Amino acid sequence: QKEVEQNSGPLSVPEGAIASLNCTYSDRGSQSFFWYRQYSGKSPELIMSIYSNGDKEDGRFTAQLNKASQYVSLLIRDSQPSDSATYLCAGAGGGADGLTFGKGTHLIIQP
Amino acid sequence: AAGVIQSPRHLIKEKRETATLKCYPIPRHDTVYWYQQGPGQDPQFLISFYEKMQSDKGSIPDRFSAQQFSDYHSELNMSSLELGDSALYFCASSGGLAEKSSYEQYFGPGTRLTVT
Repeated sequence: QKEVEQNSGPLSVPEGAIASLNCTYSDRGSQSFFWYRQYSGKSPELIMSIYSNGDKEDGRFTAQLNKASQYVSLLIRDSQPSDSATYLCAGAGGGADGLTFGKGTHLIIQP
Repeated sequence: AAGVIQSPRHLIKEKRETATLKCYPIPRHDTVYWYQQGPGQDPQFLISFYEKMQSDKGSIPDRFSAQQFSDYHSELNMSSLELGDSALYFCASSGGLAEKSSYEQYFGPGTRLTVT
């Protein structure tokens, strides 16, 4: 059974601070990992993808992957109120495999 | 940039009726995925197609079927609808499997299905 675990939150972070979101996964066969942002009633929006151990940076976002620890994280620098949303961590085996999502972390950025 | 198109955006059906949801992937994307998201839940993978062939299968009920057509659009057919089928149904697409970046799945706006 593939599982992705996230703390559901809510995680409250002051505006301008760094938000740190974490995720663990159970399937060692997972090769691809993704972070999605989802606003209430809207579709998931891809924020970051990561496939190799280490860090990957894109603007204010940094994804980190540690396959030995089966751990994925997302850092959001200079948090803005518009970053308030549910962040979904997802893993897949690769190819056309479906994504296994975590339950999501509800992030609140306090102005 | 062109996105995934889903139709209809909203659908109301009665129990035991059938429903067909349509998905048009991002141009040049050849892989389509279907997900179901119930209220307060994370998206659950149903099924995927690559080059018109079923590729991966998740928790899709036997009452549901799907296919991908020659123009790469996909349809999800749902029969004998139950109250528990009320959910948001998302289609996602990804482009070619040659590079890892092509594994990225981009979601459409979803179809909200209400079964009464």
